[in-house]
Amino acid sequence: QQQVKQSPQSLIVQKGGISIINCAYENTAFDYFPWYQQFPGKGPALLIAIRPDVSEKKEGRFTISFNKSAKQFSLHIMDSQPGDSATYFCAASRSYNTDKLIFGTGTRLQVFP
Amino acid sequence: GAVVSQHPSRVICKSGTSVKIECRSLDFQATTMFWYRQFPKQSLMLMATSNEGSKATYEQGVEKDKFLINHASLTLSTLTVTSAHPEDSSFYICSAKEQRALYEQYFGPGTRLTVT
Repeated sequence: QQQVKQSPQSLIVQKGGISIINCAYENTAFDYFPWYQQFPGKGPALLIAIRPDVSEKKEGRFTISFNKSAKQFSLHIMDSQPGDSATYFCAASRSYNTDKLIFGTGTRLQVFP
Repeated sequence: GAVVSQHPSRVICKSGTSVKIECRSLDFQATTMFWYRQFPKQSLMLMATSNEGSKATYEQGVEKDKFLINHASLTLSTLTVTSAHPEDSSFYICSAKEQRALYEQYFGPGTRLTVT
């Protein structure tokens, strides 16, 4: 119940295309769903996050779609750029235990020119 | 924005020695800090949660006597890997939660530990 399943494991997208990464969770007590971007040899950086009270959140080229009934959320990267090539992690946490993030397994995105 | 630093960024030590890694929140006070380890091409694995002024809470399977965590102030937590062995070689990352924030964690740049 604590797991967050992430797919695909790797993704190759042409420059200008849309990158889509999906995550699914089981614990309905989760109420915070962030996405992190990590470049090789660096720590993860918070990209965008969503709470279950909204179904979509957009920040620039990055959009989170959230489906509470399906217990799924996804990251969409519009107009993907080579600089977006990185590993992306979804995560989830609970409000009465907000300190602990449960991470997905990661998706390695490669954007080719 | 909230900045977390780690020192050193890379360290090489001999098997059997101890090494200390520092994690600092530079522009905010962090009541809670977290330590993760990450093996190549894998996800982050939470090792322990550290609250300022109290003992760290370790995840199942993490040896508390081997990975000593101290959170002596609202801006500094340290991880000491004692009697390091080659299998402890990994990428260690800390994160910090701001005192008034509900959810957001800010991650440090990581420390690459190599034990020879």
